[in-house]
Amino acid sequence: GAVVSQHPSRVICKSGTSVKIECRSLDFQATTMFWYRQFPKQSLMLMATSNEGSKATYEQGVEKDKFLINHASLTLSTLTVTSAHPEDSSFYICSAKPSRGTSSPLHFGNGTRLTVT
Amino acid sequence: SQKIEQNSEALNIQEGKTATLTCNYTNYSPAYLQWYRQDPGRGPVFLLLIRENEKEKRKERLKVTFDTTLKQSLFHITASQPADSATYLCALNPSSGGGADGLTFGKGTHLIIQP
Repeated sequence: GAVVSQHPSRVICKSGTSVKIECRSLDFQATTMFWYRQFPKQSLMLMATSNEGSKATYEQGVEKDKFLINHASLTLSTLTVTSAHPEDSSFYICSAKPSRGTSSPLHFGNGTRLTVT
Repeated sequence: SQKIEQNSEALNIQEGKTATLTCNYTNYSPAYLQWYRQDPGRGPVFLLLIRENEKEKRKERLKVTFDTTLKQSLFHITASQPADSATYLCALNPSSGGGADGLTFGKGTHLIIQP
């Protein structure tokens, strides 16, 4: 149980274009999902908390107008990287908790490798 | 400033031995700490959670300890196998209160079990 599906797994786009990444909880409802970014040999960095039916909460230093998050339903959150640049190339991973308890473990998708040329 | 440090970037252990990974934190007061496994190109997978009032937690060949005085957690894999080779991440919730905040992760330790 508690499966999180992320799509696409890899995407290559040209500089200046936008890319949308989908994150779905397949067998549970997630009122909150989290978006992380990971550069090579670095830790996962929390970008934003996606809240169903309301605005996302962004971490300091993350541009909300560049990384658009939509959490339209209890099973789907999307991250759109707008006007992508080569420095946005990274591994983006979403996660969700199947229950509201703060100590509940996170269940992660398998990530999206974004390459901006 | 707040920091989570994992002892080494890479750790080589001979098959069958016990692997011990360290996670130290500074300027946090976490109510719990979690350990995850991450394979290359994949998302992390949850392994164990230990709360501040627990000294030790076990799951099959895995054991985690949590010392809030030392601000340290140790993660042990006994009878290690090549299939245990992966990056292991420690993580904690930076908020002392409730809420649904995301976890903060260490950089991870890349464990290599040599046959």
